[in-house]
Amino acid sequence: KQEVTQIPAALSVPEGENLVLNCSFTDSAIYNLQWFRQDPGKGLTSLLLIQSSQREQTSGRLNASLDKSSGRSTLYIAASQPGDSATYLCAAIYYGQNFVFGPGTRLSVLP
Amino acid sequence: GAVVSQHPSRVICKSGTSVKIECRSLDFQATTMFWYRQFPKQSLMLMATSNEGSKATYEQGVEKDKFLINHASLTLSTLTVTSAHPEDSSFYICSTRKGQAGELFFGEGSRLTVL
Repeated sequence: KQEVTQIPAALSVPEGENLVLNCSFTDSAIYNLQWFRQDPGKGLTSLLLIQSSQREQTSGRLNASLDKSSGRSTLYIAASQPGDSATYLCAAIYYGQNFVFGPGTRLSVLP
Repeated sequence: GAVVSQHPSRVICKSGTSVKIECRSLDFQATTMFWYRQFPKQSLMLMATSNEGSKATYEQGVEKDKFLINHASLTLSTLTVTSAHPEDSSFYICSTRKGQAGELFFGEGSRLTVL
């Protein structure tokens, strides 16, 4: 069964800290791995897409890595800001119509 | 990047009425769109896959007669919650993707409240 887990479920940090969010997937035959951000009452905003042939992607203060063999992806947020507070979800995307979301990590960055 | 537009963002209706939610792919033609439901502080639950020109594929436990999906064009899919009841109150989100395993793009979501 294809499953995605995310650790931690919730995280609260002071402003300025660097932090790492973890995503694990059971089926390593992924096509892509995508990270999203969701603000309360809003849809999902795509942050980074890592193709299976890639090891990492970077956008601004965000860096996402992918290790297919171990079934893990991490999202690194540098110099966190209160505006980064949101729920972060990862999705393992498989070929065809199949994709699996993790339950998300709720991040609070305190000023 | 691609943009998915969802409308309405909020809707309040009386019990027993039907509500239609629209999802539009603005930047590319989407042969497939996905409809989700999300309960407070929970992750997304895939309800159905909407296929242009054919019947939608529903996930186990989702009533197809309750949640009618129409994908009449390559840019528009609609979800109609029929005979809505308070337990149907939820946050509904649509998404589409580029290609068979491409990047997923999401609408802004629709908050349905059934009184």
